[in-house]
Amino acid sequence: NAGVTQTPKFQVLKTGQSMTLQCAQDMNHNSMYWYRQDPGMGLRLIYYSASEGTTDKGEVPNGYNVSRLNKREFSLRLESAAPSQTSVYFCASPGGDQPQHFGDGTRLSIL
Amino acid sequence: EDQVTQSPEALRLQEGESSSLNCSYTVSGLRGLFWYRQDPGKGPEFLFTLYSAGEEKEKERLKATLTKKESFLHITAPKPEDSATYLCAVRSYGNNRLAFGKGNQVVVIP
Repeated sequence: NAGVTQTPKFQVLKTGQSMTLQCAQDMNHNSMYWYRQDPGMGLRLIYYSASEGTTDKGEVPNGYNVSRLNKREFSLRLESAAPSQTSVYFCASPGGDQPQHFGDGTRLSIL
Repeated sequence: EDQVTQSPEALRLQEGESSSLNCSYTVSGLRGLFWYRQDPGKGPEFLFTLYSAGEEKEKERLKATLTKKESFLHITAPKPEDSATYLCAVRSYGNNRLAFGKGNQVVVIP
């Protein structure tokens, strides 16, 4: 989707491994969000950043850390991956009254 | 806590058979209601924003309406390319987050 780029698109990890999901937006928005999407659960907010230098927990933050590197980039880190973190991860921007635009997702499998 | 319930979970339609999707919501004060379309393997794609009861928006075969408790997405004379999952989300005043429903999966059969 135009404006929000996520990398990688696919990843397979072993339990206990760590990795960082990257997200960049070129729309000059202040707010950025990380969601996970699981079958039957819908989109659930993991963390968000209202502006550069700030981050806040969402609905399901346990097991994740985030970094708002600059206005463009917002990364999501799994320090010690668990099978329960197998999911599709979406980054989105912005917030407020504007509709959120989503990236195409990272499909993560943890064995 | 903002809550969104979508029904039906899944819907199979014959091409040309019009139908409606429901999004019921509970918020302290509605700042905006959003409809998205999601195709397999893709991120959600924005369709509409509705702000107040009575508001309607249209795009091709889709029409979204809003009341104080629910929103409907009407699909008129659907085509197979309308097959997708449709997501509804709400944002309330004083809240920087969206609350999403679980989606309506629509399949249109030629």
